[in-house]
Amino acid sequence: GAGVSQSPSNKVTEKGKDVELRCDPISGHTALYWYRQSLGQGLEFLIYFQGNSAPDKSGLPSDRFSAERTGGSVSTLTIQRTQQEDSAVYLCASSFEAGYGYTFGSGTRLTVV
Amino acid sequence: GQSLEQPSEVTAVEGAIVQINCTYQTSGFYGLSWYQQHDGGAPTFLSYNALDGLEETGRFSSFLSRSDSYGYLLLQELQMKDSASYFCAVRGATNKLIFGTGTLLAVQP
Repeated sequence: GAGVSQSPSNKVTEKGKDVELRCDPISGHTALYWYRQSLGQGLEFLIYFQGNSAPDKSGLPSDRFSAERTGGSVSTLTIQRTQQEDSAVYLCASSFEAGYGYTFGSGTRLTVV
Repeated sequence: GQSLEQPSEVTAVEGAIVQINCTYQTSGFYGLSWYQQHDGGAPTFLSYNALDGLEETGRFSSFLSRSDSYGYLLLQELQMKDSASYFCAVRGATNKLIFGTGTLLAVQP
């Protein structure tokens, strides 16, 4: 597609439930990133995929968070046993060149109640 | 580790010039980027500096001094639509962007 697509745009879930967030990057972009943004805050790095290399998971806040990227394209971020502090906007970005010229999706607003 | 500092808020009037500063600490450095984010929107790419000096793109310019670990975004002829958050971001040795906490720019009539 023309841009980075994320779904769902909004997700309300009960504490303790698992959620899956999806990101469809721009075709041909080999780099894909997940960030988290709490209300009025900066962007917190979560995980980075580059081609077929092992992902950089250094930003994942706990082992409840995991992500995969299938076929070098679509990525899914999974949060298990959600907690209220997981409430945030989860942003996905892709780029042709690593670390440069990101295109962000519109994000998934996750609310844990 | 990596860290970036930028002012939390800046206020300016329409037609004025405003400068948003960013200082950084990073292990390895490839470049400094700037992103704009309107309230409720996604961040959008503005500029990238890999070398020292000034890069100009229309009303926006970005400057980098690698020896001072410092950069700034300069916005000229401010318009109301420029009201947004502006983030600097460093590309370090790990080839991903680490973002600052953002500067909220309020443009007043």
